Amino acid sequence: EPEVTQTPSHQVTQMGQEVILRCVPISNHLYFYWYRQILGQKVEFLVSFYNNEISEKSEIFDDQFSVERPDGSNFTLKIRSTKLEDSAMYFCASSVSAATNEKLFFGSGTQLSVL
Amino acid sequence: LAKTTQPISMDSYEGQEVNITCSHNNIATNDYITWYQQFPSQGPRFIIQGYKTKVTNEVASLFIPADRKSSTLSLPRVSLSDTAVYYCLVGDNTGGFKTIFGAGTRLFVKA
Repeated sequence: EPEVTQTPSHQVTQMGQEVILRCVPISNHLYFYWYRQILGQKVEFLVSFYNNEISEKSEIFDDQFSVERPDGSNFTLKIRSTKLEDSAMYFCASSVSAATNEKLFFGSGTQLSVL
Repeated sequence: LAKTTQPISMDSYEGQEVNITCSHNNIATNDYITWYQQFPSQGPRFIIQGYKTKVTNEVASLFIPADRKSSTLSLPRVSLSDTAVYYCLVGDNTGGFKTIFGAGTRLFVKA
């Protein structure tokens, strides 16, 4: 079965540093998403992306965050100046369409630790 | 926006059938009911979706009564590896540009 792949699996960074989390969505999918999950809490929506534009974003996704599809296969999440509270598991997801019953395919996540 | 209510946690033993019920009293006519499963340190995984009556796949069954105000995810003969969080999503919370997850039901399967 096709998979969404995420790299790295773990990332440790110092507060104030920039990090880029990388994702390769499933090849025929057109819609891309980032979610995060702080330890012990629920999965939180960050942003959705389609046709090289942000479709929706949550209030978590402030000016410190940005997303990009730099080429035909990668989808990245950048955090410009990390804070301690950015420590979380970050999941990338993709889907074929944006229909209300469309299912999302998630990657295994990147565990980000900000020290 | 359909709100869902499901138990916070459930315990079971290996080999038992587990039923997790989700309430969605204000489900809209066009809304589907979707369940995801999340193992520790992994992303959520779609397991089943239905609109009415019963749906079965290799992982689970989904029972939806005629009024569609609730649904029950049924896991036959669970094993330790079925320990996970199970999320029920309805309507505007599923698909589109913004799928929203609630707290889910934490299932613990014991030996």
